[in-house]
Amino acid sequence: NAGVTQTPKFQVLKTGQSMTLQCAQDMNHNSMYWYRQDPGMGLRLIYYSASEGTTDKGEVPNGYNVSRLNKREFSLRLESAAPSQTSVYFCASSESGTDTQYFGPGTRLTVL
Amino acid sequence: GENVEQHPSTLSVQEGDSAVIKCTYSDSASNYFPWYKQELGKRPQLIIDIRSNVGEKKDQRIAVTLNKTAKHFSLHITETQPEDSAVYFCAASFVSGGYNKLIFGAGTRLAVHP
Repeated sequence: NAGVTQTPKFQVLKTGQSMTLQCAQDMNHNSMYWYRQDPGMGLRLIYYSASEGTTDKGEVPNGYNVSRLNKREFSLRLESAAPSQTSVYFCASSESGTDTQYFGPGTRLTVL
Repeated sequence: GENVEQHPSTLSVQEGDSAVIKCTYSDSASNYFPWYKQELGKRPQLIIDIRSNVGEKKDQRIAVTLNKTAKHFSLHITETQPEDSAVYFCAASFVSGGYNKLIFGAGTRLAVHP
């Protein structure tokens, strides 16, 4: 039981490049989330998926898109990376919105 | 919009002392309040949570109290140890788009000195 996994762990992009961050969970959870973490700003929700087949915007969705591929997988795509998207990205999952969220190990992204 | 304020941003204590971190929230409908601990370079992990139908919850050296009238909740760590050093985040649930989500505080960096 691996819990929540994320790939890659580290990534460096140039401004304008695109990439997809992958997330998978093996806990059969309904809800999945993408957060970004910046110094002094806690965890801010980018997008979430309450259940398979649904996605919706969080606090800071601009510049990102998501896909809930199936119940296990939830990917985050940066179409045209900007330096302001330099951050640590965490994926999380939970049974529902008011249950424990389990976080993945994070992806440290640097955009030059 | 929904907001969670967390204080202090940094906290330094001596080993064996108590530490208290406080959070206030804006949405009176919030009903779930978790606390996460994040060690350097690691993922956030739940340490304790409380729901709005109780006022206090304890788990060994950790306790959380909730005052729904005042819309604030606090984390209490007693007999602190160096391994308690980490960043602690509070969070509160809120409903948006028909679904419950969490909004996090900005975090408190706790340093426990031997």
